[in-house]
Amino acid sequence: QKEVEQDPGPLSVPEGAIVSLNCTYSNSAFQYFMWYRQYSRKGPELLMYTYSSGNKEDGRFTAQVDKSSKYISLFIRDSQPSDSATYLCAMSEGNTDKLIFGTGTRLQVFP
Amino acid sequence: DADVTQTPRNRITKTGKRIMLECSQTKGHDRMYWYRQDPGLGLQLIYYSFDVKDINKGEISDGYSVSRQAQAKFSLSLESAIPNQTALYFCATSARDGSGELFFGEGSRLTVL
Repeated sequence: QKEVEQDPGPLSVPEGAIVSLNCTYSNSAFQYFMWYRQYSRKGPELLMYTYSSGNKEDGRFTAQVDKSSKYISLFIRDSQPSDSATYLCAMSEGNTDKLIFGTGTRLQVFP
Repeated sequence: DADVTQTPRNRITKTGKRIMLECSQTKGHDRMYWYRQDPGLGLQLIYYSFDVKDINKGEISDGYSVSRQAQAKFSLSLESAIPNQTALYFCATSARDGSGELFFGEGSRLTVL
């Protein structure tokens, strides 16, 4: 079993939809949780960063962490075609430690 | 110019050849990383370096070696390339401030025939 599991998709939604992306993990020592966005032919870039459990909101994006269930989510409200990308979850035990990445979920938002 | 620059961006080579992928950064970060990305497997850490004199193996270091020539330069070598090393390779940097944020280059696509 992988340490981090992520549904690869692809996920195809109409513009304006609410998108939910999820990851599960097995290592209860993970404390730092991130979402990276990767456009085609580009390197990943950090989208959201959360420490421990709880919610964090940034514009149309909300990250949720449920450590009791070992489950993290990224919600995208009012999705736009420009949100079409691959979304990778990542997590680590300490903030200076190596990140463990999920396999990524490919999202397509059509007009 | 990009903060993290990788060369070459694309390379096709033959089995048994030696290949070097180079990475340079202008972010002033101490920490540098080499990742490999394969469909269905995500990003896997090959090697990482927290400063010029520090080199550490990642999850999948077999068949690879690295050199940290300076704070800003970190190169990845395949001494004798094999077809299953065909992948997209990313260099990344991070600051020592513990933010955990990685800054990635645009990737080097390597094909081994």
